[in-house]
Amino acid sequence: KAGVTQTPRYLIKTRGQQVTLSCSPISGHRSVSWYQQTPGQGLQFLFEYFSETQRNKGNFPGRFSGRQFSNSRSEMNVSTLELGDSALYLCASSLAGGGGQYEQYFGPGTRLTVT
Amino acid sequence: SQQGEEDPQALSIQEGENATMNCSYKTSINNLQWYRQNSGRGLVHLILIRSNEREKHSGRLRVTLDTSKKSSSLLITASRAADTASYFCATDQAGTALIFGKGTTLSVSS
Repeated sequence: KAGVTQTPRYLIKTRGQQVTLSCSPISGHRSVSWYQQTPGQGLQFLFEYFSETQRNKGNFPGRFSGRQFSNSRSEMNVSTLELGDSALYLCASSLAGGGGQYEQYFGPGTRLTVT
Repeated sequence: SQQGEEDPQALSIQEGENATMNCSYKTSINNLQWYRQNSGRGLVHLILIRSNEREKHSGRLRVTLDTSKKSSSLLITASRAADTASYFCATDQAGTALIFGKGTTLSVSS
């Protein structure tokens, strides 16, 4: 089975712009979670989608949004980028939803740099 | 907010030695998971231990869970240079999000 894929792998954007990141989960996985990883804050949960519905949301401003399509692929969008949004954005899929009840399979991440 | 906290933050050992990392958490959990991350890449799942389990093994990995002390430990036996990575514990609270600690950076030198 192919693993979790994320595109693009690297991205450089300017403050004020918006960005869309994409994640394709492992075939058959219906849950997709997004995390932001920075040296200062570590790994922080953004949101989780299961069967096209957002099930959980972390403590991030409304500039961060996401969605999931019927084929379980997910996108996250960050509008009005700030310098502090520079981070590694990780997507993870699991068989079922419900937070951390099951092991999660992570993609390689998208490294976003905001200048 | 961080739920789990790993200790130590960094650990340096020689190949062949054992490495022990600890994780403490604050609230009741359904399960606890350990992940490994190599140099800014994606995380790899190592072990999931449920709240009613006390110990779990996977190859050279041994995880213990003490719910009364709200702590877990990960033991890697006979470490190899390839084990060099950051290790994270993550906890699940009643089906909500998986919350990660800040990790232990393990360096294994040959």
